[in-house]
Amino acid sequence: DIVMTQSPDSLAVSLGERATINCKSSQSVLSSSNNKNFLAWFQQKPGQPPKLLIYWASTRGSGVPDRFSGSGSATDFTLTITSLQAEDVAVYYCQQYYGSPLTFGGGTKVEIK
Amino acid sequence: EVQLVESGGGLVQPGGSLRLSCAASGFTFSTYWMNWVRQAPGKGLEWVANIKDDGSVTHYVDSVKGRFTISRDNGKNSLYLQMNSLRVEDTAVYYCAGAVGWIIDDWGQGTLVTVSS
Repeated sequence: DIVMTQSPDSLAVSLGERATINCKSSQSVLSSSNNKNFLAWFQQKPGQPPKLLIYWASTRGSGVPDRFSGSGSATDFTLTITSLQAEDVAVYYCQQYYGSPLTFGGGTKVEIK
Repeated sequence: EVQLVESGGGLVQPGGSLRLSCAASGFTFSTYWMNWVRQAPGKGLEWVANIKDDGSVTHYVDSVKGRFTISRDNGKNSLYLQMNSLRVEDTAVYYCAGAVGWIIDDWGQGTLVTVSS
């Protein structure tokens, strides 16, 4: 199984500042057949189901603000929230869909400082 | 608008069974891979199982293999999860989730399964 490890577990950022979340996979999720990284990011607010933010490591989902961006390749990935807004308080998860079982990182809780 | 509505959760004793259902609307259900993802109270997300658009292929996480069965009825736009031999550690909110390929892009609100004596 591909193990997804996120860091940090939590972070507090001032409004308008940058938040950076890291995700490392235990093996590469870069496909040689299409040169794409099978990596997604989800946002989960309290009492709500998760919402897809990013797929293919860097493609924003429908309606996702451009302050959210994803980067990285193979085994190391980053989710960046530029200019943090109050509504961004949530837990963020990375997830690989390269192979079964699909696996999630442990989550990173983002709060306002 | 995509809607996924789960039902069938509840309290069950260890060793018991439950069948979860998910009613889908607002999209062409028969063209989507479908998933069950669970979240134990206060914990992270765990993928449980998925099923191909035509129902011909299924995958499971090891911890539920042989106990859970995912199925679908494209004529009824419905997804199911038959859960047998339930354990305390299966206690979680179970989400129905639709995927394009394996990219999960739509989620239901979830149904709570509690396994306790």
